[in-house]
Amino acid sequence: AQSVAQPEDQVNVAEGNPLTVKCTYSVSGNPYLFWYVQYPNRGLQFLLKYITGDNLVKGSYGFEAEFNKSQTSFHLKKPSALVSDSALYFCAVRDRYLAGNMLTFGGGTRLMVKP
Amino acid sequence: EAGVTQFPSHSVIEKGQTVTLRCDPISGHDNLYWYRRVMGKEIKFLLHFVKESKQDESGMPNNRFLAERTGGTYSTLKVQPAELEDSGVYFCASSPRGLNQPQHFGDGTRLSIL
Repeated sequence: AQSVAQPEDQVNVAEGNPLTVKCTYSVSGNPYLFWYVQYPNRGLQFLLKYITGDNLVKGSYGFEAEFNKSQTSFHLKKPSALVSDSALYFCAVRDRYLAGNMLTFGGGTRLMVKP
Repeated sequence: EAGVTQFPSHSVIEKGQTVTLRCDPISGHDNLYWYRRVMGKEIKFLLHFVKESKQDESGMPNNRFLAERTGGTYSTLKVQPAELEDSGVYFCASSPRGLNQPQHFGDGTRLSIL
């Protein structure tokens, strides 16, 4: 079975400060990991993915995430937050060796960036 | 390139009625998925089509839900009869071939059962 935990329901950060949104995962094999963002009344928008290779993955809008196998984590980061980054963020995982292509999502973390 | 489109964006029906949701994937995407988010909880997988074939329907909650993808293009998800616990947001996603391809999501259908 695969699972994802996003321990924070909400993260508050001031504009211009660095931000981190936490994600830990559990899979029986090796993971594919994804971050998605959801703006109000919109669908999930793909931000970045980890498949293999470099543990630091860069994505859209200046976001990056670091894969840490020993800690089974894939935290989302950005050096300088913008007010427009305020949204709901979802981490997702799939086990690359399992049949099927379903994603398992975390519960989501609401990011609030204040001016 | 047009994204994944879902119709309707919002549906309000009474318990016991039937509702059909439609999803048009990105052109050329063989993979089509349905997910739902109920009452602000986690987004849960419902099923996966590869072209017109159901690859995985392990997430379908019960036999009141029927998904089809005739011709391997658009897909429909029918709920009959609808129950109160079916309320939530239903998302459709599509992806091209390849296990590491990201899934592209539509804006969802918000389903409210009264």
